[in-house]
Amino acid sequence: TQLLEQSPQFLSIQEGENLTVYCNSSSVFSSLQWYRQEPGEGPVLLVTVVTGGEVKKLKRLTFQFGDARKDSSLHITAAQPGDTGLYLCAGIRSEKLVFGKGTKLTVNP
Amino acid sequence: DAGVTQSPTHLIKTRGQQVTLRCSPKSGHDTVSWYQQALGQGPQFIFQYYEEEERQRGNFPDRFSGHQFPNYSSELNVNALLLGDSALYLCASRLAVDGYTFGSGTRLTVV
Repeated sequence: TQLLEQSPQFLSIQEGENLTVYCNSSSVFSSLQWYRQEPGEGPVLLVTVVTGGEVKKLKRLTFQFGDARKDSSLHITAAQPGDTGLYLCAGIRSEKLVFGKGTKLTVNP
Repeated sequence: DAGVTQSPTHLIKTRGQQVTLRCSPKSGHDTVSWYQQALGQGPQFIFQYYEEEERQRGNFPDRFSGHQFPNYSSELNVNALLLGDSALYLCASRLAVDGYTFGSGTRLTVV
């Protein structure tokens, strides 16, 4: 059983479009992180959300943590080909990361 | 400032063999964790080392073992390799409340 469910699993869009990916769990996490991973590389931390209802913005990326701290979303505005990659959410539990399977995003020029 | 360094980058082993993967943490980081990422999956936690001791362990068999050295570097050992052990093995380091920094991983292929 996957503790963190990410959707969609795959997403292919055109440059300039907006998108949202979701990360859902039946469990509460003390905090949640989003990572971006490119082929042949390790995940790179984008953001950490800690407080229920928290919203963080990183340029064209907006991250939200659910009020109950069980779910999160990542919204990308005006996607660019450089946004292509695997987006992973990870809950922090006892100092270890519990990852979802990821959303593989392809932004076509 | 070097980030997390892993070696080797790629490795091919035969079933039943043993393998050792190495990780040098980011400068100043004292905690090292290892993750296994199978193709199309998110990383799965293997174990974490702090002060040269295994502090936490994920749901992996005893064939997976590790070590942390006084300079905080770490090794992951896998014995009696199975085809299913083929994966990207990621090392992540951190210092206290800092965020995790991942290395680029070691791609292990078992044939």
